Amino acid sequence: EVQLVESGGDLVQPGGSLRLSCAASGFTVSSNCMNWVRQAPGKGLEWVSVIYSAGSTLYADSVKGRFTISRDSSRNTLYLQMHSLRVEDTAVYYCARGSGGSQQRGYFFDYWGQGTLVTVSS
Amino acid sequence: DIQMTQSPSSLSASVGDRVTITCRASQSISTYLNWYQHKPGIAPKLLIYAASSLQSGVPSRFSGSGSGTDFTLTISSLQPEDDFATYSCQQSFSVPYTFGQGTKLEIK
Repeated sequence: EVQLVESGGDLVQPGGSLRLSCAASGFTVSSNCMNWVRQAPGKGLEWVSVIYSAGSTLYADSVKGRFTISRDSSRNTLYLQMHSLRVEDTAVYYCARGSGGSQQRGYFFDYWGQGTLVTVSS
Repeated sequence: DIQMTQSPSSLSASVGDRVTITCRASQSISTYLNWYQHKPGIAPKLLIYAASSLQSGVPSRFSGSGSGTDFTLTISSLQPEDDFATYSCQQSFSVPYTFGQGTKLEIK
């Protein structure tokens, strides 16, 4: 059974750092396209970052230069390292597996975790 | 970036009603359009991918259509378990994989 479990969410001050983890089971993280998606309070879903099976990464403009997506094959885990956090980064962060696509196009997110809450506040 | 606009932003309907939600892309995205259902505290669920393909395990009352810039999600007969859910479209034509703002569904 495919399962994704996020952890690492916390209350952090503006300018602080946090690392989110997404432990996967039932499939191999490094062989798949993996994404981070967030939902701020009262807002819609916002795509944050992707790491493709080949290892290339892309980011939303809102987090570029501050967030880093990575994976650990030995732990079958996806990460999101977040620096210089802002109040507007407050959200529930989901990891999601992308399937069905190629060349950055055509992916659909077929499995999601339950989310982890990041609150940025002084 | 491709902007995705959904309508309506919220709707109220009765069990058994036919419900249609629309999604418009700011440029043509062929059929690279997905639909999700999400509820508070629960992992979002993929309903439809590639505009009209039903994800495995999703009830057949859900269907999708469209291509280019205009898309629709239809629930043919609303069920109680569809209540208090938000339905969101997402384009996967190009990065960033943008979502619509969501449509909140409430059953009368």
